[in-house]
Amino acid sequence: EVQLVESGGGLVQPGRSMKLSCAASGFTFSNYGMAWVRQAPTKGLEWVATISYDGSSTYYRDSVKGRFTISRDNAKSTLYLQMNSLRSEDTATYYCTRDSYWFAYWGQGTLVTVSS
Amino acid sequence: DIRMTQSPASLSASLGETVNIECLASEDIYSDLAWYQQKPGKSPQLLIYNANSLQNGVPSRFSGSGSGTQYSLKINSLQSEDVATYFCQQYNNYPLTFGSGTKLEIK
Repeated sequence: EVQLVESGGGLVQPGRSMKLSCAASGFTFSNYGMAWVRQAPTKGLEWVATISYDGSSTYYRDSVKGRFTISRDNAKSTLYLQMNSLRSEDTATYYCTRDSYWFAYWGQGTLVTVSS
Repeated sequence: DIRMTQSPASLSASLGETVNIECLASEDIYSDLAWYQQKPGKSPQLLIYNANSLQNGVPSRFSGSGSGTQYSLKINSLQSEDVATYFCQQYNNYPLTFGSGTKLEIK
């Protein structure tokens, strides 16, 4: 069974940093692209970043480019999202998803609240 | 960026009824379209990919169609467990973009 378990969310002040993790199991992690998708409270879904199966290619939405970094450790079957210079508009539940284009599997999400 | 315009924003239908949700892309996305269902308090679930391919385990009362810029999700024989918000998503080009969602309720 495919499982994606996010961790690392919480309350953070504007301008500070936070790193999210996603532990994957139930599939060969190194064979799949992975992505982060977020959802602000009571809002719609917003793609954040994608990383290729081997980490050689990464893609970001413009609003996080230069502030967020997606990475992966295939030996640990873990996906990461390093978030720097956080803003109030980054407040959202962040979902770890499998696959690069459509998202067949989703984690339960981790809530990031950016507030002073 | 490719803009995905989803309609209607909300929908109320009776059990057993057939409902349609539309998604209009701002440019041709060559059937690179997925549909998701998100129940209250839960993570989204993939229903359809490549515009009309049913994800494993999804009931056959869900179907997708369309091409070019116009796509639709059809739910036959509406069930109580179909109460959810539905989103479309294009993956033809980065940034990947979602529609704003359709909230489906039972009348």
